Amino acid sequence: EPEVTQTPSHQVTQMGQEVILRCVPISNHLYFYWYRQILGQKVEFLVSFYNNEISEKSEIFDDQFSVERPDGSNFTLKIRSTKLEDSAMYFCASRASTDTQYFGPGTRLTVL
Amino acid sequence: AQTVTQSQPEMSVQEAETVTLSCTYDTSESDYYLFWYKQPPSRQMILVIRQEAYKQQNATENRFSVNFQKAAKSFSLKISDSQLGDAAMYFCAYTNRASGTYKYIFGTGTRLKVLA
Repeated sequence: EPEVTQTPSHQVTQMGQEVILRCVPISNHLYFYWYRQILGQKVEFLVSFYNNEISEKSEIFDDQFSVERPDGSNFTLKIRSTKLEDSAMYFCASRASTDTQYFGPGTRLTVL
Repeated sequence: AQTVTQSQPEMSVQEAETVTLSCTYDTSESDYYLFWYKQPPSRQMILVIRQEAYKQQNATENRFSVNFQKAAKSFSLKISDSQLGDAAMYFCAYTNRASGTYKYIFGTGTRLKVLA
């Protein structure tokens, strides 16, 4: 069964550094999402992406964040200048035309 | 604003027994969808069951069933004949058509332990 994959599984970075989190959605899906979960808190919506543009973003998704689909398979989340509070688990998800999303295993980002 | 609440941070169940995980939500929308996802340790969230709000019949998937009480805005998950492999974090999630993007709103999760 097709799965969403994410790399790396764990990323450690210094405050102020740029990080790129990578996701490979399921191949025939058209809608893509990023969520994050700070330890002990809820999974929160960050951004949705469709037809090569952002369709919705949350208040969390400020100018430090960007998303891109650089080719036909990858979907990336870039954090330009990481802060300590960006430490979290980041989940990528994708869906076809229905409402059901399929999630990747997550990338644990640790900002020191 | 829509919210999802899971009031049980952790639950335990004996193998082969039945357990019910609670979820309540708040919305003013009429066309929405509710989900239960299972997240085993270090693995991705897997869809367990899905409920469409306009369907009165409770969804079932093998040993998993829901008790969907629309008026009470309650959506509990019942796991029958619990197995060791059911041990995981369970998330309740909500989305609606009016959002346009079908973004999910999650509860905080319930960690289920299955005792042999």
